[in-house]
Amino acid sequence: DSGVTQTPKHLITATGQRVTLRCSPRSGDLSVYWYQQSLDQGLQFLIQYYNGEERAKGNILERFSAQQFPDLHSELNLSSLELGDSALYFCASSVGSGSGQETQYFGPGTRLLVL
Amino acid sequence: GQNIDQPTEMTATEGAIVQINCTYQTSGFNGLFWYQQHAGEAPTFLSYNVLDGLEEKGRFSSFLSRSKGYSYLLLKELQMKDSASYLCAVGRDSNYQLIWGAGTKLIIKP
Repeated sequence: DSGVTQTPKHLITATGQRVTLRCSPRSGDLSVYWYQQSLDQGLQFLIQYYNGEERAKGNILERFSAQQFPDLHSELNLSSLELGDSALYFCASSVGSGSGQETQYFGPGTRLLVL
Repeated sequence: GQNIDQPTEMTATEGAIVQINCTYQTSGFNGLFWYQQHAGEAPTFLSYNVLDGLEEKGRFSSFLSRSKGYSYLLLKELQMKDSASYLCAVGRDSNYQLIWGAGTKLIIKP
């Protein structure tokens, strides 16, 4: 158990819909990262927040947005869902601002299926 | 550009030793991570190297050569539970995000 929690574990929805994924980092961690992993694919970095502020952006679609709240939990919002958005979505956290030296600890993921 | 190369798949025998290689080309270097990921599960941290040399941790060891842009993960006394994907990731000093390799799927046969 990494200490990172994600809800829900599974999500089934229809094309065109909007969903929200939630992540709570490890106690004391200030950075939250979001990743997408499609079937048999590598990890795709989406976005990082540090202490409530956006720190780094990866290949995140405009239909996707995220935020980190004062209690440091984070939410990833996916809208106008398409079949290709079906994937595992992981949240990870690290202790500081993520200088490239910090270990990231991953949550169990949310498996999203868009029908 | 930024690039990390790992073999796509490797097969080894239970009880044997296997070496998984990772080569990288990145602008700036702040350390290299290895993670293990079982199918459908979260990646779990295995090791971090920032200086050249070998780091040993039980059955797993990780090696780094910064001048060659090269790392390997060495797994000894292989067990069936070691069947997983192994991900190599590089941290850069100019950016906060890690650059991830596509992963090496390791299949252990009895």
